[in-house]
Amino acid sequence: AQSVTQPDIHITVSEGASLELRCNYSYGATPYLFWYVQSPGQGLQLLLKYFSGDTLVQGIKGFEAEFKRSQSSFNLRKPSVHWSDAAEYFCAVVSASGGSYIPTFGRGTSLIVHP
Amino acid sequence: NAGVTQTPKFQVLKTGQSMTLQCAQDMNHEYMSWYRQDPGMGLRLIHYSVGAGITDQGEVPNGYNVSRSTTEDFPLRLLSAAPSQTSVYFCASGSRDRGYGYTFGSGTRLTVV
Repeated sequence: AQSVTQPDIHITVSEGASLELRCNYSYGATPYLFWYVQSPGQGLQLLLKYFSGDTLVQGIKGFEAEFKRSQSSFNLRKPSVHWSDAAEYFCAVVSASGGSYIPTFGRGTSLIVHP
Repeated sequence: NAGVTQTPKFQVLKTGQSMTLQCAQDMNHEYMSWYRQDPGMGLRLIHYSVGAGITDQGEVPNGYNVSRSTTEDFPLRLLSAAPSQTSVYFCASGSRDRGYGYTFGSGTRLTVV
């Protein structure tokens, strides 16, 4: 069964600093990979996704993520964090070869931004 | 506005009561799913559907029923509410044409007393 691990429960950064949120997945083949963001009291919003092609993908709000097959990782990055980026971030995986095509989510990483 | 609509936004139930959480999408997505979100647990899949007339159980299906009679609607029924079902519930829809990126509703916050 596919699974997603987000090792960091909380990450604290200063405004203007760079950010990297970690995500590791467990799956036999290349899955569809996603990052979502959840602001307080809101639903999840899709930031970016990867299935094939260039391993560095660009998303909304200045975020990017890099797929590394050898490390089974899909880390989210942003060069300069804004206070409005404070939110919960979820990595997700969808099986690309049969199955339900329903996302499995990691437990999330809470981003705290200090002024 | 295109998207996923969930109703109600808030609900308080007494133990043993039943209710239905409504979910509707207007994007003609074939896939729909229900998740519950609890602190520190991420999103856990309750039930899902890959098309009208087809539903299946997720990770935590006990105490919940679903049906999918149309592409647009995917209601979640709580049969006999228990305090353990206090949670925030999210409905989501997705499509192969969109590369399985899902659109989420704004959630229903349910408290069972």
